[in-house]
Order: sequence, then C-alpha cells, then structure tokens
Amino acid sequence: AQTVTQSQPEMSVQEAETVTLSCTYDTSESDYYLFWYKQPPSRQMILVIRQEAYKQQNATENRFSVNFQKAAKSFSLKISDSQLGDAAMYFCAYRSLREYGNKLVFGAGTILRVKS
Amino acid sequence: DAGVTQSPTHLIKTRGQQVTLRCSPKSGHDTVSWYQQALGQGPQFIFQYYEEEERQRGNFPDRFSGHQFPNYSSELNVNALLLGDSALYLCASTIQGVGTTQYFGPGTRLLVL
Repeated sequence: AQTVTQSQPEMSVQEAETVTLSCTYDTSESDYYLFWYKQPPSRQMILVIRQEAYKQQNATENRFSVNFQKAAKSFSLKISDSQLGDAAMYFCAYRSLREYGNKLVFGAGTILRVKS
Repeated sequence: DAGVTQSPTHLIKTRGQQVTLRCSPKSGHDTVSWYQQALGQGPQFIFQYYEEEERQRGNFPDRFSGHQFPNYSSELNVNALLLGDSALYLCASTIQGVGTTQYFGPGTRLLVL
C-alpha cells in the first residue's frame, strides 16, 4: 500500500518570502499522480498543483511550484511571495494509476502560518 | 457553475444512532468519493461510487455504506455510531477516467456524543 509522509507539522513564513513544504511517499508503482491540496479554516479542500509522474518537468502554477524527485520519492511544494491568504493546512496526496478508481492517499498535513 | 455541495454542514448525534450525509457533485461529474478527516489529520478514503455502484473501498467497517443516485448525487450512511466516528466528512467528485482531478465539497462536521 502507498503511504505519504509530511514531516513538518507546522511551518511559518514572513509575508512576501518563500517557503518550502516537504512530502515523501512510498510506492512500488512507476505511474501515478501527486497533488498538493490547501485546506483553509473554511474547510474547503482546494487543489493547488498537480504532477504526473511520467513528466520530468516540475509543475508550476503562478506562485506555486513543485520539486519532484521521482527516484527519491520526494515531492516538495514551494510558495513564493507568500501572502496572508496562503495560511492554511497543506496536504500532499498520491493517486495510483494502477488501481481502479480515483482514491487519494493523503499525508497528515502541514499547517502554514504567514506572518505580516 | 456550482461546485460540490454537501448537507448538512454540522450534525450532532449520540452513540448508537444512524446518520445520513448528502453530496451533490460538481456539474458534469459522474464519480463521487467520500473521505473521513479526523481533527488534525489527513483525509482517509472511505469509498467511491460510479454508475450507482461502489467501485473502490478503503479500510472502513460495514457500518459505513453509501448510495449513488441516477443524477450522480450520493449519500453516506453510518450505522451504530461510535464516538470515534466524530470527524469532518468530505465528499469529492470527478469525471471517471485517467488523469482527472477530484474537487472537494466543504464537508459535514459530525459530532457523536
């Protein structure tokens, strides 16, 4: 079974600065998807960024980018020019392409605090 | 374009009771998944419905059951509630197939006393 580990329970960043959230995963599969989701206090889980394992190029969405290291099974999220609205719980998630269905396996999450 | 909606937003039940939670998927989506998120933890997959059938199931007991209707909306039923069932229940919808993204609803907060 696949597992996702987020080793940073909590991170802080100053407004306008850059922060990196870590994620590692364990799988024997070669094809899969990885995601970062953001969950603000409103509880709604929002997709931040997605990476297909077969793509070598790291995904980027505006101020959000990932560092995908397939051999190391590492998938970190970098947030540039941090804003107060970035404060939330961030979850890393894995989706198998071998298993039928769209099940997501989540990490325990990292709380991101943004200081003004 | 309406996103994923869930009802109710909050619910309080007592041990042994039964509860039904509801989810309407995002417009155009045909697949619904349910997740349980305990306080301070990541969501855990309960099951997924597609074409009105349970297609994939996580490690949850038979007390957790579901249903999908012809309009793709879904219900999650939990019988014989335990204190440990207190959690945020999230519904996510997607279009069945490879490479699709799940979109989440705001969740239902269930408290079992």
